[in-house]
Amino acid sequence: EAGVAQSPRYKIIEKRQSVAFWCNPISGHATLYWYQQILGQGPKLLIQFQNNGVVDDSQLPKDRFSAERLKGVDSTLKIQPAKLEDSAVYLCASSPWTSGYADTQYFGPGTRLTVL
Amino acid sequence: AQKITQTQPGMFVQEKEAVTLDCTYDTSDPSYGLFWYKQPSSGEMIFLIYQGSYDQQNATEGRYSLNFQKARKSANLVISASQLGDSAMYFCAMRGEGNTPLVFGKGTRLSVIA
Repeated sequence: EAGVAQSPRYKIIEKRQSVAFWCNPISGHATLYWYQQILGQGPKLLIQFQNNGVVDDSQLPKDRFSAERLKGVDSTLKIQPAKLEDSAVYLCASSPWTSGYADTQYFGPGTRLTVL
Repeated sequence: AQKITQTQPGMFVQEKEAVTLDCTYDTSDPSYGLFWYKQPSSGEMIFLIYQGSYDQQNATEGRYSLNFQKARKSANLVISASQLGDSAMYFCAMRGEGNTPLVFGKGTRLSVIA
């Protein structure tokens, strides 16, 4: 079974530029998550999708970040314009939707973003 | 809201020895799940082991076991027979009731010495 795919793996941009990340979850997984992991910290949720609807985007800086999950499969996270503090690893995860706390999330390899 | 505390920023262990990574949690949910993930330098978060709040037995997965003490709100990860490839960051995480995201601790960096 293929895992969660993400691209690109690395991205370097200058501040005020825009960037987009792509994620393809494990086949059949209804729930998709985007996490931001700043160096030295654990991942923090940015947005959670259930199929193609948003479940939780309370931590998403909506003035600069946007995300979509068209057709309930793959997803794109965009930053426009980027700031220096956006330098981080962006992790995508997916899980089957069982509405239970036991549902394991599986992560992709992440995209390491550097903003100069 | 859930909170995870990992008090060991870094740990060293000799190859083939066992090591315990500490994790304490806080939640008001009566039902919850506890998870451990490994993050090597490549960056991917690798799922290791899961423990449910109502599970009577401590979870085990190969060389990994979870020492779950519900009254103390602790969920320590035990790695037996450490290998050089175990060198990585280890994150404890939890999830409450409903379709909620994981809440992670700050992680512990484990270094295995030959």
